[in-house]
Amino acid sequence: QVQLVQSGAEVKKPGASVKVSCKASGYTFTNYDINWVRQATGQGLEWMGWMNPNSGNTGYAQKLQGRVTMTRDTSISTAYMELSSLRFEDTAVYYCTRGDVWGQGTTISVSS
Amino acid sequence: DIVMTQTPLSLSVTPGQPASISCKSSQSLLHSDGKTYVYWNLQKPGQSPQLLIYEVSNRFSGVPDRFSGSGSGTDFTLKISRVEAEDVGVYYCMQSIQVPWTFGQGTKVEIK
Repeated sequence: QVQLVQSGAEVKKPGASVKVSCKASGYTFTNYDINWVRQATGQGLEWMGWMNPNSGNTGYAQKLQGRVTMTRDTSISTAYMELSSLRFEDTAVYYCTRGDVWGQGTTISVSS
Repeated sequence: DIVMTQTPLSLSVTPGQPASISCKSSQSLLHSDGKTYVYWNLQKPGQSPQLLIYEVSNRFSGVPDRFSGSGSGTDFTLKISRVEAEDVGVYYCMQSIQVPWTFGQGTKVEIK
């Protein structure tokens, strides 16, 4: 079955970077865009950006431009989301999604 | 950005009774390809969002037929014909006709 399995939780200090992975299985990885969505505790869903795994083309939310980078390794059917210059307000659960299938989420905590 | 406005924000329902959630978008979600890019997701407590309905009225694989979606243009509705205990959680409408994807604020459904 189609699955997106994400990397584990991380704790980072302000100013650091974090890279979350999203491994796809059960389908042809390059056939579907991967989007990233985050959710702060008790809050709603916020779209971060998309990546086409075939071309590598990306598009990012304006508020994250310059801090977020989405990449992929097609040899292992894995997408990555890297967020730099972390701030306290980046503390959230981060999801990768095809739109119809979602990863299990990765908790990123930013704490001094 | 397209604004998605859900009502109500919370709903308390007796098991076996119907429930309805409205979602209004600030722009038409009808694409020139004839599809309308509105989706309904349910986020059960402690879980990732899961797709219920895509493109207004199509139930995703495995979704019970007590869930139905309707609407057009800018006005959409999710209906649950007979609410069950397992339906508790937060329901989000979402648009993907243009980036950034945007979500409604969420409607929290609980059982009386």
